[in-house]
Amino acid sequence: GAVVSQHPSRVICKSGTSVKIECRSLDFQATTMFWYRQFPKQSLMLMATSNEGSKATYEQGVEKDKFLINHASLTLSTLTVTSAHPEDSSFYICSASGSRTSGTDTQYFGPGTRLTVL
Amino acid sequence: QQPVQSPQAVILREGEDAVINCSSSKALYSVHWYRQKHGEAPVFLMILLKGGEQKGHEKISASFNEKKQQSSLYLTASQLSYSGTYFCGTDLNFGNEKLTFGTGTRLTIIP
Repeated sequence: GAVVSQHPSRVICKSGTSVKIECRSLDFQATTMFWYRQFPKQSLMLMATSNEGSKATYEQGVEKDKFLINHASLTLSTLTVTSAHPEDSSFYICSASGSRTSGTDTQYFGPGTRLTVL
Repeated sequence: QQPVQSPQAVILREGEDAVINCSSSKALYSVHWYRQKHGEAPVFLMILLKGGEQKGHEKISASFNEKKQQSSLYLTASQLSYSGTYFCGTDLNFGNEKLTFGTGTRLTIIP
């Protein structure tokens, strides 16, 4: 099956610092990557959609200047949480979809990054 | 609008069956089912593309009703490994690829 990695898996930072999270598709080219945030015992909430080489599309209510997304290549997207505050603490998960032999638009998820802002 | 899943939570004994429903207020292009274990990423189970479609994967199957506004996930002879939270992801627009995830159903299987 498709493999998506995320790094780091867990990060603790001080309020006001920036944190970068990487999402990589390891065995396929991801034309589209998605970033989600998930609070405890809640569903996945889409933050933004990114396509390689173009600007990300953010969901309503998500601050694009705070959550910077860069989809640098067909295998790498990064999410930078700028000037993080305790309310940004959450589980951040990326997913990737793209051209594969099966031809489906299935999203495959990374293992997630647990962000704790002190 | 977020699809509503029912039930919110269910506890079963190993070997029992379960049905999880996902209802949308809008017609759907496709429905994707995922299972997520605590602290882990969601794992893809199956995708349904056509109204009336049914799919099976070992003892887990799903249906997508003709009006394309509801999908159900069926787990038969449940195993301990089936425990987790199940989410439906709904796609409203062909080619958009954006999924809106349902409210989730927490399934606990006990020996």
